[in-house]
Amino acid sequence: EVQLLESGGGLVQPGGSLRLSCAASGFTFNSYAMSWVRQAPGKGLEWVSAISSGGGSTYYADSVKGRFTISRDNSKNTLYLQMNSLRAEDTAVYYCAKDQQADIWGQGTMVTVSS
Amino acid sequence: DIQMTQSPSSLSASVGDRVTITCRASQGIRNDLGWYQQKPGKAPKRLIYAASSLQSGVPSRFIGSGSGTEFTLTISSLQPEDFATYYCLQHNSYPPTFGQGTKVEIK
Repeated sequence: EVQLLESGGGLVQPGGSLRLSCAASGFTFNSYAMSWVRQAPGKGLEWVSAISSGGGSTYYADSVKGRFTISRDNSKNTLYLQMNSLRAEDTAVYYCAKDQQADIWGQGTMVTVSS
Repeated sequence: DIQMTQSPSSLSASVGDRVTITCRASQGIRNDLGWYQQKPGKAPKRLIYAASSLQSGVPSRFIGSGSGTEFTLTISSLQPEDFATYYCLQHNSYPPTFGQGTKVEIK
């Protein structure tokens, strides 16, 4: 069964950092690009970042560029999102998704930025 | 960036109704579009890929059509489990962009 499992969310103060992880199973992880998508409370979906299958190419939404870093460890079938300089507007459920087409999603992890 | 304009933002319908949701792209995206269903507190689930191909396991009452800049998702006969929010997503070019969502509610 194809599965994505996010972890690492929590409460952090403005200006703080957090690292999200997404453990993948059930498919050949190193063959697919991966994405992060977020959803602020009561709002729609927002694409955040993506990384190519080998990790050599990365893409970011303007809203997170320079603050967030996407990476992956294909030996561990794990995707990461390092989030620095967090702002209140980064508060959201963060989902990892398989491929830029987002055919499979994890269950999400909540990030709350608040003092 | 490619803008995806989705309409309507919400609709009320009854079980058995035919429902149509539209997404319009600000520039041509071929058929690089998917449709997603999201229920409260749950992750989105893809229903349609490549604009008109049905995801495995998804009921055939979900029908996608369109190409270029105009796309539609039709639910041919609305069922109780279909009450949810629907989103389109274009992946023709970075950044991928979602429509604003359509909430389908019970009339």
